[in-house]
Amino acid sequence: KAGVTQTPRYLIKTRGQQVTLSCSPISGHRSVSWYQQTPGQGLQFLFEYFSETQRNKGNFPGRFSGRQFSNSRSEMNVSTLELGDSALYLCASSPEPGTYNEQFFGPGTRLTVL
Amino acid sequence: QKEVEQNSGPLSVPEGAIASLNCTYSDRGSQSFFWYRQYSGKSPELIMSIYSNGDKEDGRFTAQLNKASQYVSLLIRDSQPSDSATYLCAVNGRLTGGGNKLTFGTGTQLKVEL
Repeated sequence: KAGVTQTPRYLIKTRGQQVTLSCSPISGHRSVSWYQQTPGQGLQFLFEYFSETQRNKGNFPGRFSGRQFSNSRSEMNVSTLELGDSALYLCASSPEPGTYNEQFFGPGTRLTVL
Repeated sequence: QKEVEQNSGPLSVPEGAIASLNCTYSDRGSQSFFWYRQYSGKSPELIMSIYSNGDKEDGRFTAQLNKASQYVSLLIRDSQPSDSATYLCAVNGRLTGGGNKLTFGTGTQLKVEL
């Protein structure tokens, strides 16, 4: 069974631009969660999608948004990029919301904002 | 107070020794607890989950939970150089507006020396 895939793997953007990251979950997994990982703050929860609906949201500004498609693939968007948005963005998929013991992470997208 | 706290390390242990990793959490309502291993440049992978007070063993790994003390630990017996990684403690906690999320500690770096 293929794992979680994320594209692109690396991105370089400048302040003020916007970016869209993509995540394809494991086949059969319908819940997708997004996390931001930085050296200072560690892994922080952004949001979770299930059945094309945002179920949970972490404490991030509205510049961070996401969506999920009918095939469970998910995208997250960051608008008006700031230097502090430089991070590793990880998505994780699981069969259902809250099934963290069956949650698998993708390889991540490394975003650098200049 | 951080929601999930870990000593950042590095924790250095000789090969063959027992490595003890600790984690405390603030939400008394938390019900499930997880340990992830993250190699440098890679995404986190789940190695243990624990839901009840006491010990849970899986191979060389033992997770320990004490809900009264809000304390979770991970023991790695017969430590190997391949165990050198950052270990993340994660707690299933409640979001302010309802719902659940995984809250991660910032991780403990483990170095197993030959």
